[in-house]
Amino acid sequence: NAGVTQTPKFQVLKTGQSMTLQCAQDMNHNSMYWYRQDPGMGLRLIYYSASEGTTDKGEVPNGYNVSRLNKREFSLRLESAAPSQTSVYFCASSGLRRGIGNQPQHFGDGTRLSIL
Amino acid sequence: GENVEQHPSTLSVQEGDSAVIKCTYSDSASNYFPWYKQELGKRPQLIIDIRSNVGEKKDQRIAVTLNKTAKHFSLHITETQPEDSAVYFCAASGNAGGTSYGKLTFGQGTILTVHP
Repeated sequence: NAGVTQTPKFQVLKTGQSMTLQCAQDMNHNSMYWYRQDPGMGLRLIYYSASEGTTDKGEVPNGYNVSRLNKREFSLRLESAAPSQTSVYFCASSGLRRGIGNQPQHFGDGTRLSIL
Repeated sequence: GENVEQHPSTLSVQEGDSAVIKCTYSDSASNYFPWYKQELGKRPQLIIDIRSNVGEKKDQRIAVTLNKTAKHFSLHITETQPEDSAVYFCAASGNAGGTSYGKLTFGQGTILTVHP
């Protein structure tokens, strides 16, 4: 039972390149989230998926796209990377569903992304 | 949207002392307040959470208090140990059945250092 798994762990890109960050969870959770973490700014929500087949914007969605491929997988794509997107990216999942209230979010180990 | 302010940004204590971290939130509809601990280079890990229908929750050396009227909540760590040294984040989330749907808004983090 691995929890939330993110790949890759590290990546260096050049400005303008594209890439997809992968996230998978094995806890049968409905909800999944993508955050970025920058020094002194905590974690900021990029996109989330309340359930399979749905996605919504978070606080900082510009420059990103997401796909909820199935219940287990939620990917984050940078179409044209910019230096301002240098950050640590965390994926999270929770067992949240309507009617039972908020549930804890469980985080992956993160992807450290540098854009030159 | 929700705004969460966290203080202090850094906190230094001697081993055995108590540590208190405070957060305020802006959205009176928020009803779920988790606290996460993040060690250097690691994922955020949930250490305790509280829902708006209770005023206090304890788990061994850790406690969280919530004042809904004043819209603030606090983390209390007693008998601190060097292994408590980490960054601590508070967060707030609104009604899981409403438009916020489990989205967490994080504070900026507190770097806690416990000196032996």
